[in-house]
Amino acid sequence: GAGVSQSPSNKVTEKGKDVELRCDPISGHTALYWYRQSLGQGLEFLIYFQGNSAPDKSGLPSDRFSAERTGGSVSTLTIQRTQQEDSAVYLCASSFGQLSGNTIYFGEGSWLTVV
Amino acid sequence: QKEVEQNSGPLSVPEGAIASLNCTYSDRGSQSFFWYRQYSGKSPELIMFIYSNGDKEDGRFTAQLNKASQYVSLLIRDSQPSDSATYLCAVEAGNNRKLIWGLGTSLAVNP
Repeated sequence: GAGVSQSPSNKVTEKGKDVELRCDPISGHTALYWYRQSLGQGLEFLIYFQGNSAPDKSGLPSDRFSAERTGGSVSTLTIQRTQQEDSAVYLCASSFGQLSGNTIYFGEGSWLTVV
Repeated sequence: QKEVEQNSGPLSVPEGAIASLNCTYSDRGSQSFFWYRQYSGKSPELIMFIYSNGDKEDGRFTAQLNKASQYVSLLIRDSQPSDSATYLCAVEAGNNRKLIWGLGTSLAVNP
């Protein structure tokens, strides 16, 4: 596709359930980011994939959060045993990564509501 | 000290005025600097990027970079109500070129 694609666009889940959020980056982009943004708040960095390097997981808020990126393309963010405070929009972004001035492009986000 | 700092605002300007948004950063090795705009309920979208000292103009927008003083600013000339949004500053830092984000400045342009 032409842009960063995320699915689902909206997800309502019960507290304690696991959820998976998917991101399909722009073709050829080597860098992929996951962010979380709560209503009216700034971007909270979660995890960063850059090519074949080990991912930067320094932003993951707890061990309930994990992410993987298969074949250097599609990424899945998994939240286990969801809590109400996990409710937020989860944004994925991608870029060419290694180039200076590497503009990142955002998907439309996955809006997660934990009830 | 936060790595990228912005005044949270809200910054309120009348229509037609110049809006000035500022951002400071801590990593002297930073190479690339970005301004994104985010409307409520939407994803951030790129306005412009800059990586050389000085000014870079694109239409009504001008980015200004001063690496010695470690700040980057965005000027919006002839501000319009449609410019009302949150403006995010992002700085590329570190050997892995990760983007570090400010929390954003809320801008309100009043008709």
